[in-house]
Amino acid sequence: NAGVTQTPKFRVLKTGQSMTLLCAQDMNHEYMYWYRQDPGMGLRLIHYSVGEGTTAKGEVPDGYNVSRLKKQNFLLGLESAAPSQTSVYFCASSRDRVTDTQYFGPGTRLTVL
Amino acid sequence: GNSVTQMEGPVTLSEEAFLTINCTYTATGYPSLFWYVQYPGEGLQLLLKATKADDKGSNKGFEATYRKETTSFHLEKGSVQVSDSAVYFCAQDTGRRALTFGSGTRLQVQP
Repeated sequence: NAGVTQTPKFRVLKTGQSMTLLCAQDMNHEYMYWYRQDPGMGLRLIHYSVGEGTTAKGEVPDGYNVSRLKKQNFLLGLESAAPSQTSVYFCASSRDRVTDTQYFGPGTRLTVL
Repeated sequence: GNSVTQMEGPVTLSEEAFLTINCTYTATGYPSLFWYVQYPGEGLQLLLKATKADDKGSNKGFEATYRKETTSFHLEKGSVQVSDSAVYFCAQDTGRRALTFGSGTRLQVQP
């Protein structure tokens, strides 16, 4: 039982490049989330999903897109990376309500030059 | 809107000292409240939670009581250990299928 895994762990991009971050969970959770963590700002919600095939915008969705084609996977895409997207990205999942425990992945450290 | 305010860190304590990390929230209604902890190099993990007023969440010697009258959910531990060094996040549910996190408080415990 791996819990929540994220791929890759580290990435360096140049401005304008694109990439996809993959999150996978093996707990059969309905809800999945993408957060970014910046110094002094805590975690901010980018997008979330309440079930397979559904996605919704969070607090800071601009510049990101997501997809949830399979229940266990939640992908975060950056179409044209900008230096402001340099951050640590965390994926999380919870069973079926936001008040259920959220289980976090280990994070992806992204640097955009 | 909904927000969570935590005391700024870092908080530096000696081993076996008493810990308090303040957290206040603004929300309509009665949100569920959480404390998450992030150890170095790891993702967040739930430490404790409370779902209604006067509830006390507890885990690993940490406690927090949901105080509706002061809109607070302060984290306490009677005797900290070096292994408690981490970043602690207070959070509330927004009622819109998401959590709002505070900015985090770094705790450093010295032997």
